[in-house]
Amino acid sequence: NAGVTQTPKFQVLKTGQSMTLQCAQDMNHNSMYWYRQDPGMGLRLIYYSASEGTTDKGEVPNGYNVSRLNKREFSLRLESAAPSQTSVYFCASSERIPEGHSGNTIYFGEGSWLTVV
Amino acid sequence: GENVEQHPSTLSVQEGDSAVIKCTYSDSASNYFPWYKQELGKGPQLIIDIRSNVGEKKDQRIAVTLNKTAKHFSLHITETQPEDSAVYFCAASTGNFNKFYFGSGTKLNVKP
Repeated sequence: NAGVTQTPKFQVLKTGQSMTLQCAQDMNHNSMYWYRQDPGMGLRLIYYSASEGTTDKGEVPNGYNVSRLNKREFSLRLESAAPSQTSVYFCASSERIPEGHSGNTIYFGEGSWLTVV
Repeated sequence: GENVEQHPSTLSVQEGDSAVIKCTYSDSASNYFPWYKQELGKGPQLIIDIRSNVGEKKDQRIAVTLNKTAKHFSLHITETQPEDSAVYFCAASTGNFNKFYFGSGTKLNVKP
């Protein structure tokens, strides 16, 4: 009963380095998300994928790229890390909401702590 | 887009007292309002949610109220316990977009 699994849990990067955060869900959800969490700012959406094969920008997409590899996996890539990207990153998933219906729970992973020095 | 504001940012209560956290939202199209609890070092977990066709929902010691006219919703925790200590987030979503907008969080401290 893993739910949403993301790796790595902790990472330290030097400015300018690149890295990919991996995320997988085993709930057969269509929609997946990447959020970042900073003190006093709650959770901000970086990118989301409403369904396999589609990705869209969220509130804070600059400096990031994503890949929806298949229905299970959604990765987040930092091409050239900057100190402003020091944050806790959460992957999440939810079932796609049918037309005319409202609301669906999203499930979060345990988080990835990224420090850029 | 939607803007969700949450207050207070920190809340300290004595064990057994009640705690209330309030959120406002800006988009009248929002129709789903979940609340999440985040324990230290963990991801947020859903504790209760409410849809726009309901004014109040209860689950044991936790309740959520929604006032669509005023565009605000609140989380009520009664008979608080030390294990309720965590960060709580409210969120709002418009049904068809699968996008959730979160408040900035409330750190609740329940003193034994």
